[in-house]
Amino acid sequence: QQQVKQSPQSLIVQKGGISIINCAYENTAFDYFPWYQQFPGKGPALLIAIRPDVSEKKEGRFTISFNKSAKQFSLHIMDSQPGDSATYFCAASKAGNQFYFGTGTSLTVIP
Amino acid sequence: GAGVSQSPSNKVTEKGKDVELRCDPISGHTALYWYRQSLGQGLEFLIYFQGNSAPDKSGLPSDRFSAERTGGSVSTLTIQRTQQEDSAVYLCASSFANYGYTFGSGTRLTVV
Repeated sequence: QQQVKQSPQSLIVQKGGISIINCAYENTAFDYFPWYQQFPGKGPALLIAIRPDVSEKKEGRFTISFNKSAKQFSLHIMDSQPGDSATYFCAASKAGNQFYFGTGTSLTVIP
Repeated sequence: GAGVSQSPSNKVTEKGKDVELRCDPISGHTALYWYRQSLGQGLEFLIYFQGNSAPDKSGLPSDRFSAERTGGSVSTLTIQRTQQEDSAVYLCASSFANYGYTFGSGTRLTVV
């Protein structure tokens, strides 16, 4: 069973637009929700993360919105740039144990 | 070290040969994870170490796959009698407590 479901699989956005990627999880015991960014030929890198005691976290142009009751969280990239073109993975974990990853979203930002 | 180091970065091997992939985690990181990523696919969990013990081996695809970790540091993932379907990027990550993974750049394995 897929513990974390991610959508869309791919996304094309114009430069300056907003990119939105959504994830849903099953296990209510999860207490840490990171997003990873992966460029071709590189390993995923931690982008931003949130814990369930807050509903939103913002770091620069990147914002996580978290809805505990719906068991959903999303990544918003404001003012998207061509350099943001990458694959994005959401994940969830409980108390530092194994991370469960979404299937990834390939983002392309068109100049 | 400053980051998670994996070696080799690329490995081409003949079908049926054994391969060893190495991961040097960040110093002090107690947890170490191996994942597999096939072309254009997500991250498939293989195995997790806490210290030198592996509480979760549930993701190993077959008994041809094994892993060990020594001294709470370096880990080796061994694939015996490699098959073409083993071709993928093998990623290692380490973490301390619950502060998120740091991934290495991976080993790209090609079985010909």
